[in-house]
Amino acid sequence: EAGVAQSPRYKIIEKRQSVAFWCNPISGHATLYWYQQILGQGPKLLIQFQNNGVVDDSQLPKDRFSAERLKGVDSTLKIQPAKLEDSAVYLCASSADSVFGYTFGSGTRLTVV
Amino acid sequence: QKEVEQDPGPLSVPEGAIVSLNCTYSNSAFQYFMWYRQYSRKGPELLMYTYSSGNKEDGRFTAQVDKSSKYISLFIRDSQPSDSATYLCAMSGLMDTGRRALTFGSGTRLQVQP
Repeated sequence: EAGVAQSPRYKIIEKRQSVAFWCNPISGHATLYWYQQILGQGPKLLIQFQNNGVVDDSQLPKDRFSAERLKGVDSTLKIQPAKLEDSAVYLCASSADSVFGYTFGSGTRLTVV
Repeated sequence: QKEVEQDPGPLSVPEGAIVSLNCTYSNSAFQYFMWYRQYSRKGPELLMYTYSSGNKEDGRFTAQVDKSSKYISLFIRDSQPSDSATYLCAMSGLMDTGRRALTFGSGTRLQVQP
């Protein structure tokens, strides 16, 4: 079984620029998550999709972050404009059910300078 | 107060030692408890999960949950250098908001010395 694919692996941008991350979940996994992991902290949920509908985006900073999951498969997460405090690893995960069996991708490491 | 508290370490032990990793939580709605292992520059991978108080064993790993004390533990027996990683506790339950996604601790960094 192929894992969760994320790209790019690394990204360095200047503050106020925009950036987008891409995620391809495991085939057949209906639930997709985006997490933000700041250095030295645990992952924090940004948004959860069930198929192509949003289940929970209560912790997504909607003034600058947006996410979509077209056709219930791939997903993109965008930040516009980026701030220094957005420097983190952005992890995508997918699951066949909503509690156990999360599979994470390797993440995109974002540095905002 | 954070919903999930975890000692960040780092924890350094000699090879073969028994390792104890712990988390406390404050939200009684948490029903499912997991431990993830995260190697450097990789995503977390699920090690163990449980949904009841008591112990669950898998090889060298034992997960323990005490819901009355809101305390969970992961024990690693005969620790190996390959166990060197960050260990994250995670939990979920049906929140008032209807949210079920995982809430993570901050992670404990473990170094097993050969």
